[in-house]
Amino acid sequence: DQQVKQNSPSLSVQEGRISILNCDYTNSMFDYFLWYKKYPAEGPTFLISISSIKDKNEDGRFTVFLNKSAKHLSLHIVPSQPGDSAVYFCAASAFKTSYDKVIFGPGTSLSVIP
Amino acid sequence: DTAVSQTPKYLVTQMGNDKSIKCEQNLGHDTMYWYKQDSKKFLKIMFSYNNKELIINETVPNRFSPKSPDKAHLNLHINSLELGDSAVYFCASSPHRGTYEQYFGPGTRLTVT
Repeated sequence: DQQVKQNSPSLSVQEGRISILNCDYTNSMFDYFLWYKKYPAEGPTFLISISSIKDKNEDGRFTVFLNKSAKHLSLHIVPSQPGDSAVYFCAASAFKTSYDKVIFGPGTSLSVIP
Repeated sequence: DTAVSQTPKYLVTQMGNDKSIKCEQNLGHDTMYWYKQDSKKFLKIMFSYNNKELIINETVPNRFSPKSPDKAHLNLHINSLELGDSAVYFCASSPHRGTYEQYFGPGTRLTVT
């Protein structure tokens, strides 16, 4: 029962272009969403988050958009750089029902081609 | 100066053995977690401790037992290892309960033969 889905296992983008990573969720109780980045042989690293009261959060080259009605969020990376090549995990939590738990998606592997 | 460290990084063992994975964080965080990343790459929460108190215990076999001697350490002991236990195990920490931005260790790749 996947509550957080990332339907694209992989994505390739040219350096300098925009990378768009998508994430869908099924649990309407989710109210906080996060993106983590993972390099091989390392643990995931927190990248950016968004609360359900917002529809956009920006941090430098990274912007997360949230569409609650569609239960969809996306991570935009502009411009993409070779160092952005990594696996990106979408994650979600439900403060009221699962206070301590974060649910992760399966990840999307991004390759930025120089 | 590693924030969240795990030992060992790799662990190869035979079915039926008992093994432990250790985790330490030097961030002063109250809350620690164990995750399992299976062959399908999903990161699934197994356990969470807050100030040495168990707060999350997912449907994990009884062969898995976490122990938190203090709030900076969360160890994972696995009894009677099975082939299906082969996975990467990640330890993580966060400042306190309800903080969803977590700091992960580098992972321990467990292979059961």
